[in-house]
Amino acid sequence: DQQVKQNSPSLSVQEGRISILNCDYTNSMFDYFLWYKKYPAEGPTFLISISSIKDKNEDGRFTVFLNKSAKHLSLHIVPSQPGDSAVYFCAAPFSSGSARQLTFGSGTQLTVLP
Amino acid sequence: DAGITQSPRHKVTETGTPVTLRCHQTENHRYMYWYRQDPGHGLRLIHYSYGVKDTDKGEVSDGYSVSRSKTEDFLLTLESATSSQTSVYFCAISGNGYEQYFGPGTRLTVT
Repeated sequence: DQQVKQNSPSLSVQEGRISILNCDYTNSMFDYFLWYKKYPAEGPTFLISISSIKDKNEDGRFTVFLNKSAKHLSLHIVPSQPGDSAVYFCAAPFSSGSARQLTFGSGTQLTVLP
Repeated sequence: DAGITQSPRHKVTETGTPVTLRCHQTENHRYMYWYRQDPGHGLRLIHYSYGVKDTDKGEVSDGYSVSRSKTEDFLLTLESATSSQTSVYFCAISGNGYEQYFGPGTRLTVT
């Protein structure tokens, strides 16, 4: 049972417009969230994170919003560029066994059209 | 970028053969992980290591074993490969923070 869900497998956006990628979670104990970006034939790369003590974190064109009451987070990319075309995963850490682990959503393929 | 390499990058093997994938890091990080990525499933944890000779199972560990004899190396073994193990395999490392840093991946095809 996935504790982090990305319900949109794909999203297409025009260059220069805003991209909004969504993620829902079920475990109210999650207190930190991460977004990863993945290009074809490469490993995922860390993009941005947010702690539950905040409701927004910004890094250049990328902003992550957290709505704890709705158990929802979103990644905004403004303005979108063709190089942003990639699969985006949201993830949440949890402690289990002897290490902190990450649980991932299934990913959203973003395509930015020139 | 974190210094993580994976070998081989691509492999085709036959059902029933053993396969070993290698992950090597130069960051001296304590934690190492093996994931598989499949369409519709995101990244699922197979096994992880929290130190030399210290390993534990993840979400999808059946059919896989791991070993870590040195801090820098983490091996994933498929004892007898099956077609359901056709996937892309990623190694990741982490230190004391939440972030994990991923290798470039190994594409494995079991025919």
